[in-house]
Amino acid sequence: DAKTTQPPSMDCAEGRAANLPCNHSTISGNEYVYWYRQIHSQGPQYIIHGLKNNETNEMASLIITEDRKSSTLILPHATLRDTAVYYCIVRGTGGFKTIFGAGTRLFVKA
Amino acid sequence: EAGVVQSPRYKIIEKKQPVAFWCNPISGHNTLYWYRQNLGQGPELLIRYENEEAVDDSQLPKDRFSAERLKGVDSTLKIQPAELGDSAVYLCASSLSTGGNYGYTFGSGTRLTVV
Repeated sequence: DAKTTQPPSMDCAEGRAANLPCNHSTISGNEYVYWYRQIHSQGPQYIIHGLKNNETNEMASLIITEDRKSSTLILPHATLRDTAVYYCIVRGTGGFKTIFGAGTRLFVKA
Repeated sequence: EAGVVQSPRYKIIEKKQPVAFWCNPISGHNTLYWYRQNLGQGPELLIRYENEEAVDDSQLPKDRFSAERLKGVDSTLKIQPAELGDSAVYLCASSLSTGGNYGYTFGSGTRLTVV
């Protein structure tokens, strides 16, 4: 499975949109982009995933570039509770080599 | 639905002692994963099960770590003997399938401290 690159940390003001980037330039055609987040002392929580098209659910939106080499997770109205580490991973059929990097530590500030 | 259940939540042991962690995945999830997470890092895969078969254990330190999933449902991860460097959070996750379109559900983890 492809590796991903994320900034180590980001800040966001409460109520504003948080845009978290991820680079996955070696992604292959059958690999999905997944986003998870981990709040302190908890296991990672699934947020959203996509293959080619942009996706939206009640938590976030996922924007995948046309060449699929990068994506952005958007939290439309960040709250203090969104402070967490956000992991971008790619996962294909089999998925057993899915690699979690260090993620992006998002700080939402009042 | 209870989600992925892990126990114990915390464990403190002396080095050279044995320790075991238990995981009950989501009902119907055939694939089960054990991950280890060191402080400040992302989770690292230790072993993956498809039903009761360990299909990828290449990252499991087999001299001291063992795992089993006898009936293809719940699973146990054991360390014997534990070393100071084994202090970490041990996470269990399950998924419906290994297909790329199936996400993982993680448990809350077991925080192991070896003293």
